[in-house]
Amino acid sequence: GENVEQHPSTLSVQEGDSAVIKCTYSDSASNYFPWYKQELGKRPQLIIDIRSNVGEKKDQRIAVTLNKTAKHFSLHITETQPEDSAVYFCAAGNTDKLIFGTGTRLQVFP
Amino acid sequence: GAGVSQSPSNKVTEKGKDVELRCDPISGHTALYWYRQRLGQGLEFLIYFQGNSAPDKSGLPSDRFSAERTGESVSTLTIQRTQQEDSAVYLCASSRGSRYEKLFFGSGTQLSVL
Repeated sequence: GENVEQHPSTLSVQEGDSAVIKCTYSDSASNYFPWYKQELGKRPQLIIDIRSNVGEKKDQRIAVTLNKTAKHFSLHITETQPEDSAVYFCAAGNTDKLIFGTGTRLQVFP
Repeated sequence: GAGVSQSPSNKVTEKGKDVELRCDPISGHTALYWYRQRLGQGLEFLIYFQGNSAPDKSGLPSDRFSAERTGESVSTLTIQRTQQEDSAVYLCASSRGSRYEKLFFGSGTQLSVL
């Protein structure tokens, strides 16, 4: 079955710096790659997603890149702010089932 | 309702007892997922329902776990003979069902097995 690996498990950055989180997936049939953010004590929420027909997508300070050949995708957050502190989950899917990575705890220090 | 509703929000049970967790998806959402999240861990896929198709049960960890959904409405996740390792937050999510739809998560049921 599909397996999604996510790195790093924890990431600490200074406010204003960039943060990068990387994921790899095993199922070459996967064609949809969303990212969810889970703030402490809250439910996960979608922040950005990318489909396999594009290599990059950007939304303000957040961007995702996809390398289908290498089966990896990344989340980039620029100009980080303390409110970006949360756990971030990548996911990969085909048909409709989504398999999530193990999460990255991002801490942004003021 | 406005969002995915799960009940109970907290459940404390004794080892060996059965528990039933409930999820009310957003009206009109044909896809429904159950995930398990152990403390500080990721989202572990359990089961997926899509409309009237046979559910994808490939993530259920043992035969003590089962789930049902009637049509496109409420789903229940049942854990029989609970064990301490079942302690976790059980999250339900629903979506409109097409391949690239956003998942809307419930607030979860915190299960504690003593």
